[in-house]
Amino acid sequence: DIQMTQSPSSLSASIGDRVTITCRASESITTYLNWYQQKPGKAPYLLISAASSLQSGVPSRFSGSGSGTYFTLTIRSLQPEDFATYYCQQSYTTPRTFGGGTKVEIK
Amino acid sequence: QLQLQESGPGLVKPSETLSLTCTVSGGSISSLSYSWDWIRQPPGKGLEWIGHIFYTGTTNFNPSLQSRVTMSVDTSKKQFSLKLDSVTAADTAVYYCARGAYDSSGHRPALDYWGQGTLVTVSS
Repeated sequence: DIQMTQSPSSLSASIGDRVTITCRASESITTYLNWYQQKPGKAPYLLISAASSLQSGVPSRFSGSGSGTYFTLTIRSLQPEDFATYYCQQSYTTPRTFGGGTKVEIK
Repeated sequence: QLQLQESGPGLVKPSETLSLTCTVSGGSISSLSYSWDWIRQPPGKGLEWIGHIFYTGTTNFNPSLQSRVTMSVDTSKKQFSLKLDSVTAADTAVYYCARGAYDSSGHRPALDYWGQGTLVTVSS
């Protein structure tokens, strides 16, 4: 299985901060990398597919980059509704695997 | 707007079979551009992919669960189903169904629509 490692596992940030979450794959997945946002009690929500393709309706303050084994999710200016847990997921092969999650909390 | 809805028992006894169904509305289930996936999340933990099925019946399962998992699809009812045998307390989780959407070249699938999730507790 391809292992996905996210860091940090949690972070505290203030409204307006720039936040970067990293995701590393245990082997190359080219750009088969997706990012999801999950709020408590809710299903995950797809933010970015194919490493950098912003989904329709997702605010432009979210961006993704990377290829191979190293990827980042950046939130340019953190808003109150962005406090949530973020997961990366590889879709290069089965089994699909997720990172352990990054919880973004209010400082 | 596509919607997915999980249904099934919320309580299953140890050693028995967990059975869930996902009903799709607002769109077609019969396209090779989509897989129909199951994902679970134990309370307070991360996401685990269980497997997926295409409308043709082709499946892929997580090897960690493969010996206990069965999936099926009923295109006439726009439903797909999950069965997990011989459950234990470790199978207690919120179970989600989701659509895996492939890009125009048939690659880079992403889970773009999710059901709300259903909590299944394994307990006697």
